[in-house]
Amino acid sequence: SQKIEQNSEALNIQEGKTATLTCNYTNYSPAYLQWYRQDPGRGPVFLLLIRENEKEKRKERLKVTFDTTLKQSLFHITASQPADSATYLCALSVGGGSYIPTFGRGTSLIVHP
Amino acid sequence: DAGVIQSPRHEVTEMGQEVTLRCKPISGHNSLFWYRQTMMRGLELLIYFNNNVPIDDSGMPEDRFSAKMPNASFSTLKIQPSEPRDSAVYFCASSFGTTMNTEAFFGQGTRLTVV
Repeated sequence: SQKIEQNSEALNIQEGKTATLTCNYTNYSPAYLQWYRQDPGRGPVFLLLIRENEKEKRKERLKVTFDTTLKQSLFHITASQPADSATYLCALSVGGGSYIPTFGRGTSLIVHP
Repeated sequence: DAGVIQSPRHEVTEMGQEVTLRCKPISGHNSLFWYRQTMMRGLELLIYFNNNVPIDDSGMPEDRFSAKMPNASFSTLKIQPSEPRDSAVYFCASSFGTTMNTEAFFGQGTRLTVV
């Protein structure tokens, strides 16, 4: 069966360090992978999208990698700040006419000052 | 634009009652999604509309759930009759285009509690 796995345990890091979150998937051939941020009581907010033929995408302090061989995406936040504390969701779209994104359950990031 | 607007923000209802959730997508967006989020199951897609037409409703749990999109600026999700297991946060999202190679904009969600 298709699965998207994100670490259910919260990631605790110190301010200024690089946070790395993982999204693993099985039985998918995603055309696109997206990362969203969700704060308590709010809807997810889009951060980055990466296509299957792209290895890496950057936006300011954010970097996403996409390894279709390992079936894994890594999401990095450099120089992390307490304001980066939130839950981060990955979402996969298969493509081939069905682009509806399927979300992982998210990983909570806590950045300590 | 004010973004995707959902109402109500919170809804508490008794088991067996009808519940209607409302969504106003961002003007100009032609794709609309209804999601449900729980601690146990995460964010699950319920139904996807494109140009007001339901394209994929395979995520709708059962016949108690129905969704409509009578025009480009309004959609409803109805649960009748509601059950305690329907308690969750329901999100509406919209995007421009027919594919998810563009970002989806989510509303603030409706927290539904069925007692």
